[in-house]
Amino acid sequence: GEDVEQSLFLSVREGDSSVINCTYTDSSSTYLYWYKQEPGAGLQLLTYIFSNMDMKQDQRLTVLLNKKDKHLSLRIADTQTGDSAIYFCAESGPGRRALTFGSGTRLQVQP
Amino acid sequence: DAGVTQSPTHLIKTRGQQVTLRCSPISGHKSVSWYQQVLGQGPQFIFQYYEKEERGRGNFPDRFSARQFPNYSSELNVNALLLGDSALYLCASSLGGGLADTQYFGPGTRLTVL
Repeated sequence: GEDVEQSLFLSVREGDSSVINCTYTDSSSTYLYWYKQEPGAGLQLLTYIFSNMDMKQDQRLTVLLNKKDKHLSLRIADTQTGDSAIYFCAESGPGRRALTFGSGTRLQVQP
Repeated sequence: DAGVTQSPTHLIKTRGQQVTLRCSPISGHKSVSWYQQVLGQGPQFIFQYYEKEERGRGNFPDRFSARQFPNYSSELNVNALLLGDSALYLCASSLGGGLADTQYFGPGTRLTVL
């Protein structure tokens, strides 16, 4: 079945770039998403990428997709303390109604 | 525009009781999905409804049921609650029920089962 894996924790200094990584197993994954969850809150959609793309940039966010290695990354430029949260990678593919999520990466931004 | 809304925000129940959670999708969205997020894990898919019909079901027992109303709002029901049902229950809405339809999540209902 589908599986999505992420590292558990990342700590960076304010102003540095953060790179959060994700790997997935299903080669038919078509859409790949990044969601942000702040403490006690729901999920906020940050960005998504279609599988026929290898990069997408949206302001401070850059998504890179290596379809051959089934590897997705999210780069946050000029990381701020307000970026501290849990970041979830998710994927969906043909014939599936649901998103499959990773366990989340906790990003801690130190002043 | 209002986002996805869920009620109640928090709920405390005891084992064996029944609970109903409610969700209102973004205006114009016709599909609602429910997810369970246990502490420290990613959300797990429970159900998807589109145009009042169940379109997908995750690996959850029959104690979990849902429905969607003509105004596209939805309820999730859980019977015979177990301690392990304690979680954040998230509702997501999308324009349609298809693969390309991005899901937008509500703030969730935190259920505690004692």
